[in-house]
Order: sequence, then structure tokens, then C-alpha cells
Amino acid sequence: NAGVTQTPKFRVLKTGQSMTLLCAQDMNHEYMYWYRQDPGMGLRLIHYSVGEGTTAKGEVPDGYNVSRLKKQNFLLGLESAAPSQTSVYFCASRIQGLNTEAFFGQGTRLTVV
Amino acid sequence: AQKVTQAQTEISVVEKEDVTLDCVYETRDTTYYLFWYKQPPSGELVFLIRRNSFDEQNEISGRYSWNFQKSTSSFNFTITASQVVDSAVYFCALSVLTDSWGKLQFGAGTQVVVTP
Repeated sequence: NAGVTQTPKFRVLKTGQSMTLLCAQDMNHEYMYWYRQDPGMGLRLIHYSVGEGTTAKGEVPDGYNVSRLKKQNFLLGLESAAPSQTSVYFCASRIQGLNTEAFFGQGTRLTVV
Repeated sequence: AQKVTQAQTEISVVEKEDVTLDCVYETRDTTYYLFWYKQPPSGELVFLIRRNSFDEQNEISGRYSWNFQKSTSSFNFTITASQVVDSAVYFCALSVLTDSWGKLQFGAGTQVVVTP
């Protein structure tokens, strides 16, 4: 059972470069989320999606874009990476309904130099 | 807006000691859901427990126990007889009924270090 899979696991970018993080889930979950984790700040929501073709901004959306063309995939894009985007990124998914836990990917450690 | 506070940044204990992690939440919603997640050194987040606001029954699961008190807006987590494998960052999180999309508000996390 793969669950939630993030690609890549590690990446180093130069300032100004672009990249896309891929999140894939095989649990047929409606809801998907992208969080970033920074020391002392817990996880903060970047963007989320409640279904194929729909996305919305979270708490810290600036500098990121997302797309959900297929139900199982949720992509996070950085168009022009900045050192402030150095972080660990987590994708999560959950079944529709509030009383359910979210399942997380293993994380992507991104360093922008 | 929702807020989750985990005031303890790091707790260090010797193996077999008990450790209690504090979680205080703020919300105006009357229906909400509280969660605890564990993040071991390997980095993934592991779901531990979920509790609804209308269910104040405390729970024990093996060496883990949770104390939910609406009167003090707290959802504390205790590890009894800690083991080295309990070393991890523990996150408390909150979602509310009026947020239909189930977004989680996380606390900053508490690092637990268990030494032999």
C-alpha cells in the first residue's frame, strides 16, 4: 500500500529556478493539502484541493502555485525559488468528512541557495 | 481563527520516566476535532489519535493516554514509561466543523528526547 507518495525526497535549487513537487495518493481521497514545515512553526498550509480541478489558498500561498488535474495527483510549483522557501514540504490527503485523519507523505526537503 | 499552542519546545527524559505534552487550543466553534501526530527522526508524520469536541472521554492506548478537557481547552498527551523509540516531535492539530474542507491548524510541535 503506497498511501501518499511525494517526489522528489530531496532537492537543491538555485535562487530563481523553478520546480514542481509531485504528490500522488492511491486512496481515492477527495481532499489534498500541501504544508510546509519550518523549525518552531509547526506545519503551515500552503494550498489545498477539495476535488479534481479545484484548488484554494491556505495560510502561506505566496510564491507557490498548485494544480489538481487528476484526483490522485496534487502538484506544487515554485516558479522562481527564493531562499525563504527552504523548508520541508508535506503533502497530505484525507477522505471527505471532518472526523477523519489526514495521511501524510514522507516529505520533500528543499534547499534554495 | 483557530490557534493551537504547544508551549513546550523540547522535553528530555530518561527512559522509563513519564512525559506529558501540553496542547492548548483556541476556537469559537462548538464542534471541532483534535488530533495528535508523531514525527519520528525518519521524518514522516504518523497519526496517533483523534478526538471530537463532544466526546470528552479520556483514552488510554497501551503506554499512551490522552486527557481532553473542554473547560481549559486542553488536549494533553502522556507517554507512560517512555522508551527511546518515543523520541520524536509530537504535533497537536485542530480542525473545525465550520471549515468544510477540513484544514488542520497545527501547533509548533514538542520535541521529546528519551535517553537510555
